[in-house]
Amino acid sequence: EAGVAQSPRYKIIEKRQSVAFWCNPISGHATLYWYQQILGQGPKLLIQFQNNGVVDDSQLPKDRFSAERLKGVDSTLKIQPAKLEDSAVYLCASRGQGKETQYFGPGTRLLVL
Amino acid sequence: GENVEQHPSTLSVQEGDSAVIKCTYSDSASNYFPWYKQELGKGPQLIIDIRSNVGEKKDQRIAVTLNKTAKHFSLHITETQPEDSAVYFCAASAGGGADGLTFGKGTHLIIQP
Repeated sequence: EAGVAQSPRYKIIEKRQSVAFWCNPISGHATLYWYQQILGQGPKLLIQFQNNGVVDDSQLPKDRFSAERLKGVDSTLKIQPAKLEDSAVYLCASRGQGKETQYFGPGTRLLVL
Repeated sequence: GENVEQHPSTLSVQEGDSAVIKCTYSDSASNYFPWYKQELGKGPQLIIDIRSNVGEKKDQRIAVTLNKTAKHFSLHITETQPEDSAVYFCAASAGGGADGLTFGKGTHLIIQP
């Protein structure tokens, strides 16, 4: 079965610009997560969706970050405006109903100059 | 919220020797503890996991132990091979894995030939 797909793989922008990342989870997976992984650290949860509803966004910096999953499948994560400290890898993960394992995509590496 | 500490940050072992990575967690409600392996430029990949009602789990050369009382869990890799070189992350979650994961900072495992 196909894994979690993410695009783009790399993005370089200047501070104060906007950027968007896309995620396509494993087919049939109702739960989708976005994590931020800063260099040298473990991933940190930003937001969790169950179908198209938000389950947990307590660690999402809502003044600049937004995410949506309109049809309960694909998801986009947006940063507007970007700051230098947003430079990180943004990972998308999905989980099947009633299962424990979260499957991660390859991530989008963002560099803010 | 949950806090996961992981040690050591770097571990170098001779090929064929064993490697042990240790983690502690703070939230007694956590009941699901996965371990992920991350290779350069890739997303984390699950290698083994354990639930709080189990003290030990093995899968070929990999084993995980859990001490709920002390809030400790450890990853054991025996007969290490060059392909085991990677960054390993422990994580914890309440809700049996349904919630987002809280990760440790990672251990860079280096297998010396």
